[in-house]
Amino acid sequence: AQSVAQPEDQVNVAEGNPLTVKCTYSVSGNPYLFWYVQYPNRGLQFLLKYITGDNLVKGSYGFEAEFNKSQTSFHLKKPSALVSDSALYFCAVRDIPTELIFGAGTRLAVHP
Amino acid sequence: GAVVSQHPSWVICKSGTSVKIECRSLDFQATTMFWYRQFPKQSLMLMATSNEGSKATYEQGVEKDKFLINHASLTLSTLTVTSAHPEDSSFYICSATGSANQPQHFGDGTRLSIL
Repeated sequence: AQSVAQPEDQVNVAEGNPLTVKCTYSVSGNPYLFWYVQYPNRGLQFLLKYITGDNLVKGSYGFEAEFNKSQTSFHLKKPSALVSDSALYFCAVRDIPTELIFGAGTRLAVHP
Repeated sequence: GAVVSQHPSWVICKSGTSVKIECRSLDFQATTMFWYRQFPKQSLMLMATSNEGSKATYEQGVEKDKFLINHASLTLSTLTVTSAHPEDSSFYICSATGSANQPQHFGDGTRLSIL
């Protein structure tokens, strides 16, 4: 069965510093991986996806993620964090045919 | 970009009332729509998957007669919480996708509070 793990409940970063939100996955076959962000009392916003191609995927709002097959990881990164990046981040893997399996979520707190 | 509209955003009603939540894809045809439930500080829990013109597929433990889902067109799916009780209070989120290779696009959610 497909699954994703987000090992950190919360990540704290100072504004201007680089940030990383971790995600590891377990799939049978080729992984379809996604990152979403959720702001309070809102639905999820799509950030980026990996299906095939370059291991470094660029997405919305300056975020990027690196697909690492040997480590089965898909960490979300941003070179310089903003206070407005503070939100809940979900990693997800697509199960057959279209269902998403979500990680538990990681709360990102960016401090001024 | 793709937009999914969910309405209403907030509902407060008395116990025993039925509540209907609408989910519309505004600029694409949603062959598949999903309904999730999210408890505070938790991840999304998939309730059901619906394909246009077909009966919804419910996840284990989700009562079909309690949570009625209709996906009558390629742009509209509805979730009706029948005879709602306080334990049904939650944040309900819909999403839609046009194909397997496309990301799911989410509505802004509906906060349901049953008194």
